Amino acid sequence: GQSLEQPSEVTAVEGAIVQINCTYQTSGFYGLSWYQQHDGGAPTFLSYNGLDGLEETGRFSSFLSRSDSYGYLLLQELQMKDSASYFCAVSPPGSARQLTFGSGTQLTVLP
Amino acid sequence: SQTIHQWPATLVQPVGSPLSLECTVEGTSNPNLYWYRQAAGRGLQLLFYSVGIGQISSEVPQNLSASRPQDRQFILSSKKLLLSDSGFYLCAFTGPLGAQETQYFGPGTRLLVL
Repeated sequence: GQSLEQPSEVTAVEGAIVQINCTYQTSGFYGLSWYQQHDGGAPTFLSYNGLDGLEETGRFSSFLSRSDSYGYLLLQELQMKDSASYFCAVSPPGSARQLTFGSGTQLTVLP
Repeated sequence: SQTIHQWPATLVQPVGSPLSLECTVEGTSNPNLYWYRQAAGRGLQLLFYSVGIGQISSEVPQNLSASRPQDRQFILSSKKLLLSDSGFYLCAFTGPLGAQETQYFGPGTRLLVL
């Protein structure tokens, strides 16, 4: 089976940098994904790490270290609109690519 | 472009009543399809997934079932709803071959069982 752990809540101020960590236990997986979900909305894809290292997409970056069973999402130049829940997720080997999600981190950005 | 539709957006049903939620995808062929459920303030729980017409895999034993009668149609059903079936139901599909690391979610259905 697979399990992922994330902090339940993170608070930061506008313009700051915040890192959301994700540790996992899994027997194997394709890669680590990150999704954003605003209150009342559907999750939207943010980033994917298939290989170890850093992936950068605008203000968001994501990192994976398979040897440490650890990844993180880094959000820079925080904006009020970044207040949302952030989920890490993995998919096991196989063709279905179904996702197992962490419990999510609620990010609150303060003015 | 690829789009995904779910309906209804909200639903209030009495305990013991049947359920049918529909999800359709446009702009792609032979997608992998998924049903997730999210309880208030919680993460997403995978319920069912399908890699082709008539092929359904269940992740969690429960009183729900899923069917895929057409390539781009995925249906979630129940014969008798329980209070514990309340939640936010999300349908999703993967991108085309070579881009399957991304899942695209529909707008979801909020189900309240009373």
